[in-house]
Amino acid sequence: AQSVTQPDIHITVSEGASLELRCNYSYGATPYLFWYVQSPGQGLQLLLKYFSGDTLVQGIKGFEAEFKRSQSSFNLRKPSVHWSDAAEYFCAVGARAGGTSYGKLTFGQGTILTVHP
Amino acid sequence: NAGVTQTPKFRVLKTGQSMTLLCAQDMNHEYMYWYRQDPGMGLRLIHYSVGEGTTAKGEVPDGYNVSRLKKQNFLLGLESAAPSQTSVYFCASRKSPGLTQETQYFGPGTRLLVL
Repeated sequence: AQSVTQPDIHITVSEGASLELRCNYSYGATPYLFWYVQSPGQGLQLLLKYFSGDTLVQGIKGFEAEFKRSQSSFNLRKPSVHWSDAAEYFCAVGARAGGTSYGKLTFGQGTILTVHP
Repeated sequence: NAGVTQTPKFRVLKTGQSMTLLCAQDMNHEYMYWYRQDPGMGLRLIHYSVGEGTTAKGEVPDGYNVSRLKKQNFLLGLESAAPSQTSVYFCASRKSPGLTQETQYFGPGTRLLVL
């Protein structure tokens, strides 16, 4: 069964500082990996996704993530955080569509990011 | 193009009452999903549908029923609400069953409080 772990429940950084949010996954085959962001009271917005190819993927809002198969990780990074980045971030692993999995997503527990001015 | 919409946005129920949450998408997507979000637990899949007239159980289906009578709508029903069903409910849809790269698009959520 697939699973996702986000070890950090809450992270606080100062505006302008760099950011790294950790994500570890467990999946029996090549994973499809996603990062979503949720602002307070809002739905989920896709930041970026990895399916194959280049292991460093670029997303919206200046975010990037690196897939490391040997470490089963897909950490999210941003070089300089803005106050508007304060939100909750979810890592997810996607099952291959077709068969019995139907493209279902398994989410991590989420990491809440607080940004200090 | 409104994307994925959910109604209502917020609802308060008493234990034992019933209600239906509506999810609608105007993107002609085949797959639709219902998740619930609880603090510290991320999103968990309740039920999903791979096409009009089909539904299947997800990770936490107990206490919920669903229907997909029209391709664009996916209804989530609570027949007898319980306090444990207090949560934020998200609907999502996905375009094509044949393309593994497809992204799920999420609605804005429905906050449900069961007293």
